Amino acid sequence: QLQLQESGPGLVKPSETLSLTCTVSGGSISSSSYYWGWIRQPPGKGLEWIGSIYYSGSTYYNPSLKSRVTISVDTSKNQFSLKLSSVTAADTAVYYCARVGSDHAFDIWGQGTMVTVSS
Amino acid sequence: SSELTQDPAVSVALGQTVRITCQGDSLRSYYASWYQQKPGQAPVLVIYGKNNRPSGIPDRFSGSSSGNTASLTITGAQAEDEADYYCNSRDSSGNLWVFGGGTKLTVL
Repeated sequence: QLQLQESGPGLVKPSETLSLTCTVSGGSISSSSYYWGWIRQPPGKGLEWIGSIYYSGSTYYNPSLKSRVTISVDTSKNQFSLKLSSVTAADTAVYYCARVGSDHAFDIWGQGTMVTVSS
Repeated sequence: SSELTQDPAVSVALGQTVRITCQGDSLRSYYASWYQQKPGQAPVLVIYGKNNRPSGIPDRFSGSSSGNTASLTITGAQAEDEADYYCNSRDSSGNLWVFGGGTKLTVL
């Protein structure tokens, strides 16, 4: 059974870069031609798509975050990663990684990791 | 357009039927998917494609679409269905994904 697990610092200082990794277990990240994505949710607010990456490395980013976001994939480690630069308090959120399955739906999610931006 | 619009809150009496809607231009080209999120938990996919339920999702959940509006229907709502529901689809260009603002469902 495929599982996703986010990891990374829970506290990031303003103006620094937020870095998170999603480890995929129970299956290969490069098999079956899936997209993989990052979604975030500020406290008390809704879901926001950050970006998605194809197993081959093609990326798609939310235009509102595009200048600050980089998503990459490491097939040798079965992981994909998120980097968000120049963070502010507005980037404080639970960050989820997820697989994009049939009909472009996010069918498998990680449990989420809370990241707080504060000095 | 890259926006999906949902009513902020909907309520339903226990055992009754409720429909949660999602509007957006992209829904003329792409199916919506629907997610249930309970407090402190990750979202769970409940409907995707034309009207498909992942394994383990009760058959009281169903989906439909007409024009620029997608709907999630819960037939015979249960207390455990009380949650936030989000719709999601590709945007009209097909290059991006977008979420609706979410609907808080209260089961009375």
